[in-house]
Amino acid sequence: SYVLTQPPSVSVAPGKSAKISCGGNNIERKNVHWYQQKPGQAPVLVVYDDTDRPSGIPERFSGSNSGNTATLTISRVEAGDEADYYCHVWDSGSDHPYVFGTGTKVTV
Amino acid sequence: EVQLVESGGALIQPGGSLRLSCIASGFTFNSFEMNWVRQAPGKGLEWISHIRSSGDPKQYADSVKGRFTISRDNAKKSVDLHMTGLRVEDTAVYYCARSWGYGSFDYWGQGTVVTVSS
Repeated sequence: SYVLTQPPSVSVAPGKSAKISCGGNNIERKNVHWYQQKPGQAPVLVVYDDTDRPSGIPERFSGSNSGNTATLTISRVEAGDEADYYCHVWDSGSDHPYVFGTGTKVTV
Repeated sequence: EVQLVESGGALIQPGGSLRLSCIASGFTFNSFEMNWVRQAPGKGLEWISHIRSSGDPKQYADSVKGRFTISRDNAKKSVDLHMTGLRVEDTAVYYCARSWGYGSFDYWGQGTVVTVSS
């Protein structure tokens, strides 16, 4: 089945930008979604279809997807952005259609 | 307001069975596909099952295929996960999540805890 690889951790200073990568074979051909999960809480969708944001998600969260890597960028990072982040794709032709990345812990 | 509320989690012995339920509100339930996702303690997210709005087809991760069964009742706005042959490694928080667009999960429940232990 399809595999998504993320760095285990990213550290960023407040006010700077954090970039979280999600590697997968020809991932640019897939729609990539990103979730934020804070301790003890359910995941929250922050970016869908590579670049779009659900209503209520700050513009500081943005996504891109090219080649074998998708990226979530958090600009002007705040303390409240500290969380685990997961990428996610729909592998529509597969018996295992939904795949999550390994997750990245963002420390501010 | 969209809400998903899971229930049914418990402490259960290996080999036992359990049924989880997720009750939906705030949207037209029979228009959306639904999923179950789990998260073992200290681990990442694992998709385990998906069901179409009509109830078929159903899909499962290899880790639960043949042991877990997903079902839905559109009249009751509920999606269930019937788990049999439970193993210690099935210990996790179980979330139901709504599918939207090109495979994103736009709403999640708060989760229900399943602990498999003797």
